[in-house]
Amino acid sequence: DIQMTQSPSSLSASVGDRVTITCRASQSISSHLNWYQQKPGKAPKLLIYAASSLQSGVPSRFSGSGSGTDFTLTISSLQAEDFATYYCQQSYSNPLFGQGTRLEIK
Amino acid sequence: QVQLVQSGAEVKKPGASVKVSCKASGYTFTGYYMHWVRQAPGQGLEWMGWMNSKSGGTNYAQKFQGRVTMTRDTSNSTAYMELSRLRSDDTAVYYCARDGGDSSWYFDYWGQGTLVTVSS
Repeated sequence: DIQMTQSPSSLSASVGDRVTITCRASQSISSHLNWYQQKPGKAPKLLIYAASSLQSGVPSRFSGSGSGTDFTLTISSLQAEDFATYYCQQSYSNPLFGQGTRLEIK
Repeated sequence: QVQLVQSGAEVKKPGASVKVSCKASGYTFTGYYMHWVRQAPGQGLEWMGWMNSKSGGTNYAQKFQGRVTMTRDTSNSTAYMELSRLRSDDTAVYYCARDGGDSSWYFDYWGQGTLVTVSS
């Protein structure tokens, strides 16, 4: 089975910072990697699909890159509303999520 | 606009079953697979399975096989997820989530979630 490992598990940053979250698959998943944002008490929200495609309505400060086993989600300039938990998810085989990265205010 | 509206919170005893509904609107229900994902308190996201909303075909995560049943009522654009033989560790928020299309296996719209509490 494919395993997904996100790092870091938590991160403190300030408004305006550039932030990168990493997701690694245990085997190649081509570009079948998606990113979600979840705020407390809310459903997850799709940000990026197919590794680098921005979901409609998502601000352009969010971007995704990578292929094969290594992927990154970058937020170019953190805004107050971006503090949340982020999950990667592989869609190469039966869907599987990473364990999440909690992004907190420094 | 696409909306997925789920049924309300449930409290069940161990060994019982729960059935959660997910009413879709704003798109052609039979044109997209529906997935179910759950999240235990303070934990991450766990995919449970998908249903082909047109044919009714299903694929369940191995962990839930034998305990989960996903069905639909196309006349009402509603998907259902039933989980049986509930245990305390089934306490979680259960989400329905629409497939992104063409069996993409990502989730572009989510329901608001249904809290299922299993307690004696």
